[in-house]
Amino acid sequence: QKEVEQNSGPLSVPEGAIASLNCTYSDRGSQSFFWYRQYSGKSPELIMFIYSNGDKEDGRFTAQLNKASQYVSLLIRDSQPSDSATYLCAVNSGAGSYQLTFGKGTKLSVIP
Amino acid sequence: EPEVTQTPSHQVTQMGQEVILRCVPISNHLYFYWYRQILGQKVEFLVSFYNNEISEKSEIFDDQFSVERPDGSNFTLKIRSTKLEDSAMYFCASRGTGEYNYGYTFGSGTRLTVV
Repeated sequence: QKEVEQNSGPLSVPEGAIASLNCTYSDRGSQSFFWYRQYSGKSPELIMFIYSNGDKEDGRFTAQLNKASQYVSLLIRDSQPSDSATYLCAVNSGAGSYQLTFGKGTKLSVIP
Repeated sequence: EPEVTQTPSHQVTQMGQEVILRCVPISNHLYFYWYRQILGQKVEFLVSFYNNEISEKSEIFDDQFSVERPDGSNFTLKIRSTKLEDSAMYFCASRGTGEYNYGYTFGSGTRLTVV
């Protein structure tokens, strides 16, 4: 059973601070990792993907992957109230499979 | 920005009735998916579809479910005899060739309520 675990939160950070969101996964063979943002009642929206160990930066977002520790994280710099949402970690195991396994998500609240 | 379009946005149906959820994927995409999210729960994979056939399906996708691409644009999910526990948000998603590592685009979802 492939599992993706996230702290459900809520994680509260003040506006302008760095928000750090974490995710662990059980399938050591997983190949691709995704962060989605989901506003209440809306569909998941892709923020970033990563598939190599290390850091990947896109604007205010940085994804970090450590396959040895089976750990992926998302940093949001200069957090804004509009970043308040649930952040979903999703993992693809590769090996001919295209499905994503999602975590339950971390609810982030950015306080003005 | 290309979008995945889903209709209807909200469907209320009586238990035991058949429902068809409709999706128009992004036009040059070749891989199509259905996911569902029960309120307060994880997003769960149902089925993937490529080249007019099912590629993968989950345990949730039992004989009550079917998918079809009836023409060049639509992709449908049919639930033959709905149960109360089928109440959820259903998301369609699509991705193009060569975007294996890039995730895919979700539609805005259909909220299915079975009463």
